[in-house]
Amino acid sequence: EAGVAQSPRYKIIEKRQSVAFWCNPISGHATLYWYQQILGQGPKLLIQFQNNGVVDDSQLPKDRFSAERLKGVDSTLKIQPAKLEDSAVYLCASSLGGFGETQYFGPGTRLLVL
Amino acid sequence: DQQVKQNSPSLSVQEGRISILNCDYTNSMFDYFLWYKKYPAEGPTFLISISSIKDKNEDGRFTVFLNKSAKHLSLHIVPSQPGDSAVYFCAAYSGAGSYQLTFGKGTKLSVIP
Repeated sequence: EAGVAQSPRYKIIEKRQSVAFWCNPISGHATLYWYQQILGQGPKLLIQFQNNGVVDDSQLPKDRFSAERLKGVDSTLKIQPAKLEDSAVYLCASSLGGFGETQYFGPGTRLLVL
Repeated sequence: DQQVKQNSPSLSVQEGRISILNCDYTNSMFDYFLWYKKYPAEGPTFLISISSIKDKNEDGRFTVFLNKSAKHLSLHIVPSQPGDSAVYFCAAYSGAGSYQLTFGKGTKLSVIP
């Protein structure tokens, strides 16, 4: 069974530029999550989708971050414009759906904002 | 305000010995706990979980203990192997209808051959 796919794996941009990350969850997984992991910290949930609807985006900085999952399968996360403090690893995870399900993580995209 | 705390940033253990990783939480609504393992340049991998109705869950070399009254859980690895060297994250789900998983900062385990 294929795992969660993410691209790109690494990205370097200058502040005020925009960037987009892509995630393809495990086939059949209804729930998709985007996390931000800053160096030395644990992953922090940014947004959670159930199929193509948003379940929780309370910690998403909506002035600069946006995410979509139009067809209920793959998803994109965008940052526009990027700030220095956005430098982090962006992790995508998926689960079958429902409370307490194990989340399966992709390898992450490491973003460096200069 | 950290709701899941892993107070030891790192731990070194001799191969073959027991590794004990600790986790404390403050939110009494947490009722399902997971441990994830993370190797460099990879995403976290699920290791083991425990529900608040249990006080112990075992899977091979890995055992998780939960002390609800102390709001404390621990992960025991016996015997420790060099391949266990990784960062271990404690995470918790709230039972209040939230699907949000809250992570600790992680503990880096080094198993010395």
